[in-house]
Amino acid sequence: DADVTQTPRNRITKTGKRIMLECSQTKGHDRMYWYRQDPGLGLRLIYYSFDVKDINKGEISDGYSVSRQAQAKFSLSLESAIPNQTALYFCATSDLITDTQYFGPGTRLTVL
Amino acid sequence: LAKTTQPISMDSYEGQEVNITCSHNNIATNDYITWYQRFPSQGPRFIIQGYKTKVTNEVASLFIPADRKSSTLSLPRVSLSDTAVYYCLVGDRTGANNLFFGTGTRLTVIP
Repeated sequence: DADVTQTPRNRITKTGKRIMLECSQTKGHDRMYWYRQDPGLGLRLIYYSFDVKDINKGEISDGYSVSRQAQAKFSLSLESAIPNQTALYFCATSDLITDTQYFGPGTRLTVL
Repeated sequence: LAKTTQPISMDSYEGQEVNITCSHNNIATNDYITWYQRFPSQGPRFIIQGYKTKVTNEVASLFIPADRKSSTLSLPRVSLSDTAVYYCLVGDRTGANNLFFGTGTRLTVIP
């Protein structure tokens, strides 16, 4: 969905480096999410935010932090990247009524 | 917590109807069932959502039995462009802690 953008789309980094993945949306949704996709494991929720002042841990938050800078922006940080954080990362937004999620195109992160 | 179970993969020929079943034995009273489609290198895209019985839109139908412990996504007359991974999601619309994606079903449509 072009209304949800992620930068960068691909990133290769080294163990121990700090990485920030950014997500922006023009849908006007209050709810935003970060997921990671690993082969055979499906999408797993890392963090979510229901508004600018709200941050919640998801299923697998260890090793990650987030920042909700504005309604439209939700960033995911890896303070010290490790190889098992190599994955495809998706940002998503949803509205308050149906909670249907709209996903960004994904960021492929490789940690060497 | 209502986790889901789906077949890992399915194959179908073009023009056939495809039914993908998802099990969610621990579904809660307030949970809805939502299906998403994902193409390679793209984020999941909403297909259909339902609570009970049957829901139909221009893309698919969703069948939910009375006990709601399973649901079936039905894709009529699939084409090659329907080759994708399909995810079943169960959640109550109010809290992300109740949203669990399954591993998805990889559908391959054969010419």
